[in-house]
Amino acid sequence: NAGVTQTPKFQVLKTGQSMTLQCAQDMNHNSMYWYRQDPGMGLRLIYYSASEGTTDKGEVPNGYNVSRLNKREFSLRLESAAPSQTSVYFCASRAVTDTQYFGPGTRLTVL
Amino acid sequence: AQSVTQLDSQVPVFEEAPVELRCNYSSSVSVYLFWYVQYPNQGLQLLLKYLSGSTLVESINGFEAEFNKSQTSFHLRKPSVHISDTAEYFCAVTNTGGFKTIFGAGTRLFVKA
Repeated sequence: NAGVTQTPKFQVLKTGQSMTLQCAQDMNHNSMYWYRQDPGMGLRLIYYSASEGTTDKGEVPNGYNVSRLNKREFSLRLESAAPSQTSVYFCASRAVTDTQYFGPGTRLTVL
Repeated sequence: AQSVTQLDSQVPVFEEAPVELRCNYSSSVSVYLFWYVQYPNQGLQLLLKYLSGSTLVESINGFEAEFNKSQTSFHLRKPSVHISDTAEYFCAVTNTGGFKTIFGAGTRLFVKA
């Protein structure tokens, strides 16, 4: 039982490059989330998907897009990376008990 | 709009001493409250949560938190900390029946020998 997996673990981009962060969960959860973590700011919600086929904006959606590919997978895309998007990105899924389960994170640096 | 305030960004404490990490929230509707812990270079994991019922909730490793509706607080306590409790702790709130969770900025607990 892998829980929530994320790829890649580390990534360095140049300004203007694009990339997709992948997330998958094997717990049959309906809801999935993308957060970014910055020092002193806690976790901020980028996008979420309440169920397969739906996505909604969180607190900081600008510069990002998401795709809920199926019940297991929820990807985050940066179309044109900017230095302000340097952060640690976490994917999570939510159980019916309202507990969220987090992946190990992706450390992204944009130069 | 909801918000969560963790009043201390860092808390240094000696091993076997008691600790309290403070959390206050604001919301106009009923909420669920959570404490998550993050060890270095890992994702967050649930420590404990309040959904309903008894206002005092406990974790398996000796932490407890009390939901105080009148003071809109959910402070985390442990009577005797261990070196292994060194981590960052996040308080979080979700509207009952909602999908979004708001996290506090985190409190870094550093336990010294």
